[in-house]
Amino acid sequence: DIQLTQSPSFLSASVGDRVTITCRASQGINSYLAWYQQKPGKAPKLLIYAASTLQSGVPSRFSGSGSGTEFTLTISSLQPEDFATYSCQQLSSYPRVTFGGGTKVEIK
Amino acid sequence: QLQLHESGPGLLKPSETLSLTCSVSGGSISSSSYHWGWIRQPPGKGLEWIGSIYYSGSTYYNPSLKSRVTMSVDTSKNQFSLKLSSVTAADTAMYYCARLGYEGGARFDPWGQGTLVTVSS
Repeated sequence: DIQLTQSPSFLSASVGDRVTITCRASQGINSYLAWYQQKPGKAPKLLIYAASTLQSGVPSRFSGSGSGTEFTLTISSLQPEDFATYSCQQLSSYPRVTFGGGTKVEIK
Repeated sequence: QLQLHESGPGLLKPSETLSLTCSVSGGSISSSSYHWGWIRQPPGKGLEWIGSIYYSGSTYYNPSLKSRVTMSVDTSKNQFSLKLSSVTAADTAMYYCARLGYEGGARFDPWGQGTLVTVSS
C-alpha cells in the first residue's frame, strides 16, 4: 500500500507567518492528493483536492502544489482560525485510501 | 446541503461487534458519482480509512481490517452501515462517515460529526 509521510509533525508559528507543510508518497500518485483541516473535537474539513484545487468556500490563503511523490500545503498568511491539524490523503490506487499522520499547527 | 449523521452504541465490550449507521440527508445515496466511506481516528492519532461502499452494494475495505469489516447500504432509507467484529481496545476511536467523490480528484466531503466508540471491559 502507498504510505504518506507528512513533515513536520508539529509546527509552531505566529499569526501572519507563511506556513508550508509537506506530504511525501511512497510511490507516485499523480495528483490524487487531498488536504484536510481538523480542529479539536470536530470532523476534518476538505481544503484542497487534486493536489491544487481549492474546495469551494475555502480562503484563498490556502494553496496546494505538487505531483508524483511530493506535495505541499501552503498557508500564505496564518490567521488565528488556522491553528489546527492538517492531514493529507491519497487515492491513486482506487479505491484504497491512505492518510498522512497529520501536522499540528500551534501558536508560537 | 448534504448532511451525514452517524449513530450507534458508544460503549462495547471486547469481542463484541461494532455496528454503526450513517444517515444521509439533503441528497441521494444512490448518486452514481459518489461512494460512501467510513474513517476512524483513535484518540490523539491520525485518520484511518476503514472502507467504502457504492449504492449498488459494491464494497472496498482496508486490507488491515478486511477480515472483520462488513459494510452495507439501504437505499430506501438513504443509509449505509458498518459492522466491525471482534473488537478490542485498539478499536476505540471516533468513527466518521463521509461522502467520497472521485471525479476531478478523489476526496471525502462532507463528513459526519463523528461518533465516539469505546471498547472496554
